[in-house]
Amino acid sequence: QVQLVQSGAEVKKPGASVKVSCKASGYTFTDYYMHWVRQAPGQGLEWLGWISPNNGSTTYAQKFQGRVTMTRDTSINTAYMELNLRSDDTAVYYCARESESFDYWGQGTLVTVSS
Amino acid sequence: QAGLTQPPSVSKGLRQTATLTCIGSSNNVGNQGAAWLQQLQGHPPKLLSYRNYSRPSGISERFSASRSGNTASLTLTGLQPEDEADYYCSAWDSSLSAWVFGGGTKLTVL
Repeated sequence: QVQLVQSGAEVKKPGASVKVSCKASGYTFTDYYMHWVRQAPGQGLEWLGWISPNNGSTTYAQKFQGRVTMTRDTSINTAYMELNLRSDDTAVYYCARESESFDYWGQGTLVTVSS
Repeated sequence: QAGLTQPPSVSKGLRQTATLTCIGSSNNVGNQGAAWLQQLQGHPPKLLSYRNYSRPSGISERFSASRSGNTASLTLTGLQPEDEADYYCSAWDSSLSAWVFGGGTKLTVL
């Protein structure tokens, strides 16, 4: 069965960076785009961008360009999202596979930004 | 970035029917179609429908989606207590070259 397992919660200071991982199993990793979506406490969903695990190409939401980097390691079927943090970046970060929209989601990683 | 418009909350009685709406534009819902996601408290979102009306395997037939022009709708029939959740619509926006979401609708089953 398809599973996306994310890394654990992080606490960071403003100005630091965080790198969240998303390990895929149960399907061919390189066949589907991987997206990153975040949800601030009590708020809705916000799209950060995607990566093609096949060739590593990326597309980022304009709001996050210059601050976010998405990479992947096909040898271990894992996607990564690294974000340079500001004080308002506290949120749960999700990875989500794209197949006719977002059909499988990771469990989420809480990133808390606090000085 | 511009998103999709959903009512913040809808309340309906047990076993009743609820219809949730999502208003977009010709750049997203009207052209690319919409998907619907359900998010139970403390859980990641779950895909309910895609391409306006298609359901993934395993999703109950009580959930049906449709689209008219730039507005997508999700209809839930025979409401159950476990249907209480936040519901989000999403679509690819061709003018922004970005995925956009609605603000979400909190469904309460009375």
